[in-house]
Amino acid sequence: DAGVIQSPRHEVTEMGQEVTLRCKPISGHNSLFWYRQTMMRGLELLIYFNNNVPIDDSGMPEDRFSAKMPNASFSTLKIQPSEPRDSAVYFCASSSFSTSNYGYTFGSGTRLTVV
Amino acid sequence: AQSVTQLDSHVSVSEGTPVLLRCNYSSSYSPSLFWYVQHPNKGLQLLLKYTSAATLVKGINGFEAEFKKSETSFHLTKPSAHMSDAAEYFCVVSDSNFGNEKLTFGTGTRLTIIP
Repeated sequence: DAGVIQSPRHEVTEMGQEVTLRCKPISGHNSLFWYRQTMMRGLELLIYFNNNVPIDDSGMPEDRFSAKMPNASFSTLKIQPSEPRDSAVYFCASSSFSTSNYGYTFGSGTRLTVV
Repeated sequence: AQSVTQLDSHVSVSEGTPVLLRCNYSSSYSPSLFWYVQHPNKGLQLLLKYTSAATLVKGINGFEAEFKKSETSFHLTKPSAHMSDAAEYFCVVSDSNFGNEKLTFGTGTRLTIIP
């Protein structure tokens, strides 16, 4: 089991550019979460999907942020246009709520720096 | 609505002495509670979880936590601290109402181990 895989690990981009973060959840997990971590605000849930359907996107900061889950094995978080205040570590997590396997597994994160 | 309060932002203990990280929760339903650990520049790792089974939960690396409904607490303990325990610890709550699988994170407690 390779765990939750995020790419890239690090991203440095200029203000105004489009940024796409990618996540591959654990096979068989039916929920996927995108979190953002900053020193000022801690860990914030941006959006989560259940069976590929967005359930709660109330944490998405503004229209510049969008997330998709076209199938059970892939999700993207896109920021367009990016701004310096978007600099943070973005984590993806997946989970399964079967009785034998209840838990959330996080990826290693993508450290985004917008200059 | 669900929330967690981590009562200490920073805890320092000497190596070999007990660790106590405090967490109080608020939940409208029967909560699921978790402790996650984050080592510097790393992702989040699940330490232990409570999901309405035994109230004393044992996790990895010698950590354990006790769910006390009357006190709405879920404190994390370890009998003897090790240098490798230095990290950020997050208490997390999730309402067990199926279909609402959103995690709510506490603000974190930074644990420092004094040699």
